[in-house]
Amino acid sequence: GAVVSQHPSRVICKSGTSVKIECRSLDFQATTMFWYRQFPKQSLMLMATSNEGSKATYEQGVEKDKFLINHASLTLSTLTVTSAHPEDSSFYICSAGRTDTQYFGPGTRLTVL
Amino acid sequence: LAKTTQPISMDSYEGQEVNITCSHNNIATNDYITWYQQFPSQGPRFIIQGYKTKVTNEVASLFIPADRKSSTLSLPRVSLSDTAVYYCLVGLTGTASKLTFGTGTRLQVTL
Repeated sequence: GAVVSQHPSRVICKSGTSVKIECRSLDFQATTMFWYRQFPKQSLMLMATSNEGSKATYEQGVEKDKFLINHASLTLSTLTVTSAHPEDSSFYICSAGRTDTQYFGPGTRLTVL
Repeated sequence: LAKTTQPISMDSYEGQEVNITCSHNNIATNDYITWYQQFPSQGPRFIIQGYKTKVTNEVASLFIPADRKSSTLSLPRVSLSDTAVYYCLVGLTGTASKLTFGTGTRLQVTL
């Protein structure tokens, strides 16, 4: 299947710092990518839709100023968690669609101390 | 987006066939049914997708009755490595279509 990568796979940071997570579609172009968050033992929750060349669309309850999304090219979307706090610690996963199927990245584990 | 209902968990022995049923009573005419598998600390992996009747690939089969209000994922002869969470999703296909994940089914395979 199509390959979606994420970087880094794991990050630990201090409270108050910002963290950037990259999502790349390796063998196809994606005008739309999605960002999810998953807490332990829970399902994936959609955070936002990343649109190449335009503003991201955020789901209800997701702070757009805290989770900055940039989709500057057809193969790269970035999620920046600004002024991270311990409650932002989670597993962040992106996805990109190729034809009729969404393919997911391997995820990024964020731990905020 | 259609809501899905799956069993929270299932247990199976290695070598058995496992059938996981998903209910989606409010499925819309243009909705497809897609199943994903997720291991701990990994992103979901696409398993199979279908619209009606039966779909089979090298990993699983998907059975969809005529009314499409439910679907069954069939995993033949499971192994320990099939222990994972399985998600049933219903919605439009296409690169810009949002996916809504339900609770999923946690499958535990033992010897």
